[in-house]
Amino acid sequence: EPEVTQTPSHQVTQMGQEVILRCVPISNHLYFYWYRQILGQKVEFLVSFYNNEISEKSEIFDDQFSVERPDGSNFTLKIRSTKLEDSAMYFCAGGTVNTGELFFGEGSRLTVL
Amino acid sequence: QKEVEQNSGPLSVPEGAIASLNCTYSDRGSQSFFWYRQYSGKSPELIMFIYSNGDKEDGRFTAQLNKASQYVSLLIRDSQPSDSATYLCAVTDYKLSFGAGTTVTVRA
Repeated sequence: EPEVTQTPSHQVTQMGQEVILRCVPISNHLYFYWYRQILGQKVEFLVSFYNNEISEKSEIFDDQFSVERPDGSNFTLKIRSTKLEDSAMYFCAGGTVNTGELFFGEGSRLTVL
Repeated sequence: QKEVEQNSGPLSVPEGAIASLNCTYSDRGSQSFFWYRQYSGKSPELIMFIYSNGDKEDGRFTAQLNKASQYVSLLIRDSQPSDSATYLCAVTDYKLSFGAGTTVTVRA
């Protein structure tokens, strides 16, 4: 069964460093999303991506964040200058239609020291 | 972001019993409703979606939607220890807005 693959599974970084989280979506998915979940808190929407551009972003997704689909397959989330409060699990998700029927990757745990 | 509220739990049920999970949402215009299951340390997994008022059954799971009351529920019949997880209610307007989740523990 196809799955969404995320790397790295865990990254530890120093505050102020740049981090790139990578996702390989399921091949027939058209809509892509990044969510995050701070430990013990709810899953929060960050950004949605369709047709090679951002379709919607939350207030969390400020200028420190960016997304790209550089080669038509991988989908990346970049945090330019990490803060302590960026420590969370980041989930990539995708779907074939623009509904809430999403397949999530296993997540990338980011720890900012 | 749309507000989604779930009964806080945790909910502990004996094996074989019915687990009942509740969710309310703030935006009367919401059209699509989802239940995701999240095991500890894992990613959310879609288990049910419902778009129309009434009940929708899938195996041991039944989702119930009442748009007039802005209320969605999930029933898990014949609960099994493997059902022990956090259940996330979500609504969408082209992006999912999740509730905080209700943690269910099924006692063997």
